[in-house]
Amino acid sequence: GAVVSQHPSWVICKSGTSVKIECRSLDFQATTMFWYRQFPKQSLMLMATSNEGSKATYEQGVEKDKFLINHASLTLSTLTVTSAHPEDSSFYICSARGREYQPQHFGDGTRLSIL
Amino acid sequence: DQQVKQNSPSLSVQEGRISILNCDYTNSMFDYFLWYKKYPAEGPTFLISISSIKDKNEDGRFTVFLNKSAKHLSLHIVPSQPGDSAVYFCAAASGNTGKLIFGQGTTLQVKP
Repeated sequence: GAVVSQHPSWVICKSGTSVKIECRSLDFQATTMFWYRQFPKQSLMLMATSNEGSKATYEQGVEKDKFLINHASLTLSTLTVTSAHPEDSSFYICSARGREYQPQHFGDGTRLSIL
Repeated sequence: DQQVKQNSPSLSVQEGRISILNCDYTNSMFDYFLWYKKYPAEGPTFLISISSIKDKNEDGRFTVFLNKSAKHLSLHIVPSQPGDSAVYFCAAASGNTGKLIFGQGTTLQVKP
């Protein structure tokens, strides 16, 4: 099946640091990539949608200056959490999709802990 | 406003029996539905999907049923195996945008 790789899987860093998370589709071209956040015992919440070569579309309540998304190629999207604070600690998951009406395939997530 | 709901937080089934997981939605614009399986600290794994032009889709032990008039879908797993124990999420989308709205998840435990 389709493979999406997400790196790193775990990050621990000090408050004020910026953290970059990479999401790669390994065996298909991802025209659209998605970034989600999951809090403990809750469902996945969509943060933003990114299409290759264009600006990301953020969901209501998500700070675009805080969570910078770049989708520079059909196989790579990055999420940068800028000046991270303890409240940004969470599980971040990316997904990628080829065409419309195709399933999204997810990476294994990044556990971000801000001290 | 929860557009996709999984009203059963957990389900316990004996190995070899059928597992039925349910999901309801409210937005009539949804036309593409998916089921994912998830283990802790991992991303969801795609299981099966169905578009609104169908009422049933089958893949091996997994069958998804869609009742558009009731805005209800279900996932049947037959026969259930201990390795099926995980959290199952249903998700809905308007297919062209691809934006998935997830339910809260149902934890399935299959007992040997």
